Amino acid sequence: EIVLTQSPDTLSLSPGERATLSCRASQSISSTYLAWYRQKPGQAPRLLIYGASSRATGIPDRFSGSGSGTDFTLTISRLEPEDFAVYYCQQYGSSPLWTFGQGTKVEV
Amino acid sequence: QVQLVESGGGVVQPGGSLRLSCEASGFTFSGYGMHWVRQAPGKGLEWVAFIRYDGSNKYYVDSVKGRFTISRDDSKNTLYLQMNSLRAEDTAVYYCAKWGNSALEHWGQGTLVTVSS
Repeated sequence: EIVLTQSPDTLSLSPGERATLSCRASQSISSTYLAWYRQKPGQAPRLLIYGASSRATGIPDRFSGSGSGTDFTLTISRLEPEDFAVYYCQQYGSSPLWTFGQGTKVEV
Repeated sequence: QVQLVESGGGVVQPGGSLRLSCEASGFTFSGYGMHWVRQAPGKGLEWVAFIRYDGSNKYYVDSVKGRFTISRDDSKNTLYLQMNSLRAEDTAVYYCAKWGNSALEHWGQGTLVTVSS
């Protein structure tokens, strides 16, 4: 069973700062099937990045994704107020077919 | 624009059943695979089930196999999740999501299922 481990659990930053979030897989996964989501309080998740590095429609360019194999990173270049939320990575392809990381909370 | 609207949540006793619905609009529903994902109160996201665009294959997380059934009615642009033998640990907000670009591209707002006596 593949496990995604996100770090850190909580990231304390200020608006305008850079955020770097990590997602590590217990075994190698295809970059094609690695995605990142943001979930604001009380809302549904929203797709940010797919294919490890492609921004979803309407996502600003302050969000970028990178990585391959077992190590993936989501970078937010300058935090805006709406970016203080929980972020999840997710993979498709290894049993169970779809899995999420436990989440990283970005807080002020 | 893509819209997904879940319904059917509520309070049910342990061992009971519930059917969730997800009405889709703004895209060609019959052309896309669809997911159910849940989130227990204060917890992270857990993938629950997936159905291919043509309904030919269905996949489930181990914890719901044999209890939950995902289905779709393309004539109604609606996705379903039949949940039987419900347990307290099934308590969660259930989201439906559209599979696109090899990711869960669009999400509904969710419906809350509470399993409690």
